[in-house]
Amino acid sequence: GESVGLHLPTLSVQEGDNSIINCAYSNSASDYFIWYKQESGKGPQFIIDIRSNMDKRQGQRVTVLLNKTVKHLSLQIAATQPGDSAVYFCAERDGNNRLAFGKGNQVVVIP
Amino acid sequence: EAGVAQSPRYKIIEKRQSVAFWCNPISGHATLYWYQQILGQGPKLLIQFQNNGVVDDSQLPKDRFSAERLKGVDSTLKIQPAKLEDSAVYLCASSLRRGVGSGANVLTFGAGSRLTVL
Repeated sequence: GESVGLHLPTLSVQEGDNSIINCAYSNSASDYFIWYKQESGKGPQFIIDIRSNMDKRQGQRVTVLLNKTVKHLSLQIAATQPGDSAVYFCAERDGNNRLAFGKGNQVVVIP
Repeated sequence: EAGVAQSPRYKIIEKRQSVAFWCNPISGHATLYWYQQILGQGPKLLIQFQNNGVVDDSQLPKDRFSAERLKGVDSTLKIQPAKLEDSAVYLCASSLRRGVGSGANVLTFGAGSRLTVL
């Protein structure tokens, strides 16, 4: 399928290692954040979310960390698998209750 | 559960021509969204419907873009006339409930329609 984007920040990770994807957001008033995964030729898929009254949330193999002081969000993927190869977007709920997507990060898993 | 269906998957047109994209959301999803994703960027909301009514079209370039959801189910997005900068993937998404959030508010995206304007 077609690529999602070109010249994206790329993280190359060995299969089985942990991945950390970072995101800086712009609006200090944002109260809700989501991480999406977008595989080539597909639409974005919800991974995990976090509200601004939390600083950490765990899912299956994924953990999202929120640092409101520096407006930073990260997604940690444990034991990265080939199926994790994709572009990852963070998104924040803006003041108009819209999803505002950040720039994507490409993750390439090396078998 | 069937996902969000979109067609066509690919379309190539010349500038100033018109194009239309179709979306069939997940059955029962009242809220439908159209997003534009330019290569290398995150999706940007164009328009949001709640049933057959427009909730938010503030980011839709209304001089050339239009969208409708007449019976509250399927939706079409039209561009007329197309410009070079309209080259992008047009994503349709739906959710059971309106508003950004989890659970019933989670957006499910279709695979998108890739438009190339020459």
